[in-house]
Amino acid sequence: GAGVSQSPRYKVAKRGQDVALRCDPISGHVSLFWYQQALGQGPEFLTYFQNEAQLDKSGLPSDRFFAERPEGSVSTLKIQRTQQEDSAVYLCASSPQGSAGSYNEQFFGPGTRLTVL
Amino acid sequence: AQTVTQSQPEMSVQEAETVTLSCTYDTSESDYYLFWYKQPPSRQMILVIRQEAYKQQNATENRFSVNFQKAAKSFSLKISDSQLGDAAMYFCAYRSSAGGTSYGKLTFGQGTILTVHP
Repeated sequence: GAGVSQSPRYKVAKRGQDVALRCDPISGHVSLFWYQQALGQGPEFLTYFQNEAQLDKSGLPSDRFFAERPEGSVSTLKIQRTQQEDSAVYLCASSPQGSAGSYNEQFFGPGTRLTVL
Repeated sequence: AQTVTQSQPEMSVQEAETVTLSCTYDTSESDYYLFWYKQPPSRQMILVIRQEAYKQQNATENRFSVNFQKAAKSFSLKISDSQLGDAAMYFCAYRSSAGGTSYGKLTFGQGTILTVHP
């Protein structure tokens, strides 16, 4: 079956514009994660959804960042009034089960590279 | 909070040779998972190998094996018989095994760029 998909793959925005990044997880996956990966660095956690519930948003860097997953499948990461420091690759990952206790693998999408000019 | 450190920004290896990538981590937890991920230029993060902290035996997956030293909080990756397709950025990552507010999120190191020479 299809893996995790993300769109667009590349996005260029002028400083101050709003952007929306989409993640389509593997069908039926309960958990969905967003990570931010600055150039040459490791990914950093942004937020976590279990179905439609956003259980952890501790990694969102500012109130300009907002994520949603209204029907428990597709998720959108929205960045308002983009700044140059928002330039990064945004990775989405999904896993089959909820997060409590037992391990289940996270499957990553190809990411969206955001460049803010 | 947990931290993961990869002290080798870049490594290189000749095709068919063996290379070891280093990783150390810091945690106060006793049970957790450690991972090595591969990220080629396509940016797709691929799981290479996983280690459960409660298991003393080191994990192996074909040409990939780890040296897990729990007391030293060290988790290195050995790639044997290196192939051109192994060239990528490699990330070490930590995941708490407990439920609660960790929610299974991954904490990554800074990455090591591996170059494989023909």
